[in-house]
Amino acid sequence: AQSVAQPEDQVNVAEGNPLTVKCTYSVSGNPYLFWYVQYPNRGLQFLLKYITGDNLVKGSYGFEAEFNKSQTSFHLKKPSALVSDSALYFCAVLNRDDKIIFGKGTRLHILP
Amino acid sequence: DAGVIQSPRHEVTEMGQEVTLRCKPISGHNSLFWYRQTMMRGLELLIYFNNNVPIDDSGMPEDRFSAKMPNASFSTLKIQPSEPRDSAVYFCASNLGWGANVLTFGAGSRLTVL
Repeated sequence: AQSVAQPEDQVNVAEGNPLTVKCTYSVSGNPYLFWYVQYPNRGLQFLLKYITGDNLVKGSYGFEAEFNKSQTSFHLKKPSALVSDSALYFCAVLNRDDKIIFGKGTRLHILP
Repeated sequence: DAGVIQSPRHEVTEMGQEVTLRCKPISGHNSLFWYRQTMMRGLELLIYFNNNVPIDDSGMPEDRFSAKMPNASFSTLKIQPSEPRDSAVYFCASNLGWGANVLTFGAGSRLTVL
């Protein structure tokens, strides 16, 4: 079955530093991968997706993600973190049944 | 477009009561998804519809849960009877249909069963 794993429950980063939120995937065939963000008391919001093509995908709010086939990873990155980036981040994969399956989420804390 | 609209935003009820959650998807979106979010299990897909037809309800936890989509602009998720372990945030999401189309989520319905 297609799945994603987010190995970190929480990531702490100082404001202004680069941030990385990790995601690894397990799929057969070409993966369709996504990142979503959830702010408190809100629904999830789409950040970016990888379908095919360039391994570096740029998304909303200055975020980007790098698709790495050899490492089966799709880590979310941002060069300089803002306090307002503090939120819950979900990696997701489209499985064979056209269902989007989410990881458990990683809580990102940006420290002022 | 006002986005995906869910109601109620908060519901507190007693064990054994019937709970109905409502969702209005984005106009023109062909697929609708119901997810449940808890601390323990994260975000779980309960059921999804395509063109108002239930495609996969394998995530529905028990027969106490049921979902309907009588038309393209309305869906309900019903729990009868409710139990304390049903307490969670229930999200509705919609997209344009099959494939890697982006999901748009509603703000969620926070359910507390006492």
